[in-house]
Amino acid sequence: NAGVTQTPKFQVLKTGQSMTLQCAQDMNHNSMYWYRQDPGMGLRLIYYSASEGTTDKGEVPNGYNVSRLNKREFSLRLESAAPSQTSVYFCASSRNPGGGNTEAFFGQGTRLTVV
Amino acid sequence: QQQVKQSPQSLIVQKGGISIINCAYENTAFDYFPWYQQFPGKGPALLIAIRPDVSEKKEGRFTISFNKSAKQFSLHIMDSQPGDSATYFCAARPAISSGSARQLTFGSGTQLTVLP
Repeated sequence: NAGVTQTPKFQVLKTGQSMTLQCAQDMNHNSMYWYRQDPGMGLRLIYYSASEGTTDKGEVPNGYNVSRLNKREFSLRLESAAPSQTSVYFCASSRNPGGGNTEAFFGQGTRLTVV
Repeated sequence: QQQVKQSPQSLIVQKGGISIINCAYENTAFDYFPWYQQFPGKGPALLIAIRPDVSEKKEGRFTISFNKSAKQFSLHIMDSQPGDSATYFCAARPAISSGSARQLTFGSGTQLTVLP
C-alpha cells in the first residue's frame, strides 16, 4: 500500500522556469492538500481540494496553481519559479476534512531549489 | 497571522528524560488538536490527537495535556529514547459549526534530540 506518492523527490529550477509537482494517493481519500515547509515556519497550506472537482486557496497560494485531475491525483504547478519558492513541498490526503476520521497522510516530500 | 504558536524551537533531552513541547492557540473555534512526528527526509505522520472534551490523552509514552481555558496544549514524551529524535508539529482544526474551512493549521515545529 503506497499511500501518498510524490514526484519528483528533488528538483533544481532556474528562476522563471515552470514545473509541475505530481501527487497521487491510493487510499480513496476525498481531500488532498499541498503544503510547503520552511525552517522555523512549520507547514503552510498552499492549496487544497476538499473533494474531486473543487480546489481552494490556502494560506500561501501566490505563485502556484493546482489541478485535481481525478480523485487520486492532485498536482501543483509553478508557472514562473522564484527563489522564494525554494522549499520542501508536501502533498497530503485525508478521508474528508470534516468527518470523524480526519487524519492527514503525507507524502515524502519534494525538495525544490530555485536558483 | 500565526494561529498556533509552538515552543521551544529545539529541545535536547537525555535518554530516559521527559520531553515537553507546548502549543498555544488563539481561535476558540478549534476542536481537534493533533501532533505530528517527522523524521528527516520523511513526511509528517500523525502521532496522537485530542479533542477539547478531555484534558488528557495517553498513548504509550506519549501524552497530550489540554487546557481549554488557557487555550494551550502540550505533548509529553516520557522515558525519551534516541529513536524519538525528530521534529514535532502541533496542529489545530476548526469545528464544523465555526463555518471556517476545516483545514489543519500547524505550529512552527520543535526539533527534538534525545542524547544516548
